[in-house]
Amino acid sequence: QQQVRQSSQSLTVWEGETAILNCSYENSAFDYFPWYQQFPGEGPALLIAIRSVSDKKEDGRFTIFFNKREKNLSLHIKDSQPGDSATYFCAARRNYNVLYFGSGTKLTVEP
Amino acid sequence: AQTIHQWPVAEIKAVGSPLSLGCTIKGKSSPNLYWYWQATGGTLQQLFYSITVGQVESVVQLNLSASRPKDDQFILSTEKLLLSHSGFYLCACPPPSAETLYFGSGTRLTVL
Repeated sequence: QQQVRQSSQSLTVWEGETAILNCSYENSAFDYFPWYQQFPGEGPALLIAIRSVSDKKEDGRFTIFFNKREKNLSLHIKDSQPGDSATYFCAARRNYNVLYFGSGTKLTVEP
Repeated sequence: AQTIHQWPVAEIKAVGSPLSLGCTIKGKSSPNLYWYWQATGGTLQQLFYSITVGQVESVVQLNLSASRPKDDQFILSTEKLLLSHSGFYLCACPPPSAETLYFGSGTRLTVL
């Protein structure tokens, strides 16, 4: 059973638009949700993260909206740039040493 | 600054042959260390974690084993590779003051 789900395998937006990537999870005990960005051939890099006690986390053009009751969250990328084209992974942590990843959403930003 | 060095960068191996992948952490003492596996185009699956030298916990069984011979070193190995072992192997470590993980640049393994 997949613990973390990302509903879209791929998403295409135009440059300057807001990209919205969705994620949902099963386990109510998850308390920390990082998003990772991965370019081909590289390891994933932490983009932004939120704790379950918050409903919003913003960092520059990136914002996480978190709904604990519905067990879902979304990553909004404002003013998308072609350089944002990458695969984005939602992840969730239940204890400090185990991190579950979603299947990833491949974002393409068209100029 | 903390750095994660993985070796080799890429390997092409035959089914049934042995494998050893390495990970070294610099800039942080007694780090928690993690191995992840990523199938081509797939998600990341945690394999092992280690809190201290000589101690390794398995998260998922994939006919692989891991060892922590030194404080700054984490080794992933198997005596007999399967086709299903192909993929991208990533070592990870938490940064000093954050709750999540930083990943190394990975080892690309192709099993033929």
